[in-house]
Amino acid sequence: DIQMTQSPSTLSASVGDRVTISCRASQSISSWLAWYQQKPGKAPKLLIYKASNLESGVPSRFSGSGSGTEFTLTISSLQPDDFATYYCQQYNPYSEFTFGGGTKVEIK
Amino acid sequence: EVQLVESGGGLVKSGGSLRLSCAASGLTFNIAWMSWVRQAPGKGLEWVGRIKSKGSGGTVDYAAPVKGRFTVSRDDSEDTLFLHMNSLKPDDTAVYYCAKVRDVNNLGVFNYWGQGTLVTVSS
Repeated sequence: DIQMTQSPSTLSASVGDRVTISCRASQSISSWLAWYQQKPGKAPKLLIYKASNLESGVPSRFSGSGSGTEFTLTISSLQPDDFATYYCQQYNPYSEFTFGGGTKVEIK
Repeated sequence: EVQLVESGGGLVKSGGSLRLSCAASGLTFNIAWMSWVRQAPGKGLEWVGRIKSKGSGGTVDYAAPVKGRFTVSRDDSEDTLFLHMNSLKPDDTAVYYCAKVRDVNNLGVFNYWGQGTLVTVSS
């Protein structure tokens, strides 16, 4: 299985901050990476797919980058609605799909 | 508007069985590839399985922890996805989400999710 490691596990930030979340794959996954946002008691919401493609309707302050084993989700200016938990997910076509452990973005 | 509504969750004893359903609307269900994803209480997300559309062969892939115990199926005449769970273990306790695969170029990306249904397996 391909293991996905996110860092940090918790992040404290203020409204307006630039926030960066990292995700590392245990082996190369090319650009087969997605990012989701989840709020308590709710289903995950797709933000980014194929490492850097913004899903329709998602604000442009969200961006993704990376390839191979190192990936990043960036929120350019944190908004009150962005306090949530973020998950990366690899979807290499030749393996089981796996998620990272999550990064909780908290109010500082 | 795409809607996915899960049902069938509940409390079951270890070794028991349960069938979850996911009623879909607002999409052409018979061409959609669908998945189940679960989340144990207070934990992260875990992919369970994916079923292709019948036009793509209708085959199913499973995660290792559920292979041989869980079965994903679909009824395109009813726009419904199912998850049949047998030999349940306490580790299977989770909220189970059904999710729609985004497109044929991103077969592991899920762009629509249901609200989830809680399965609790007691020992």
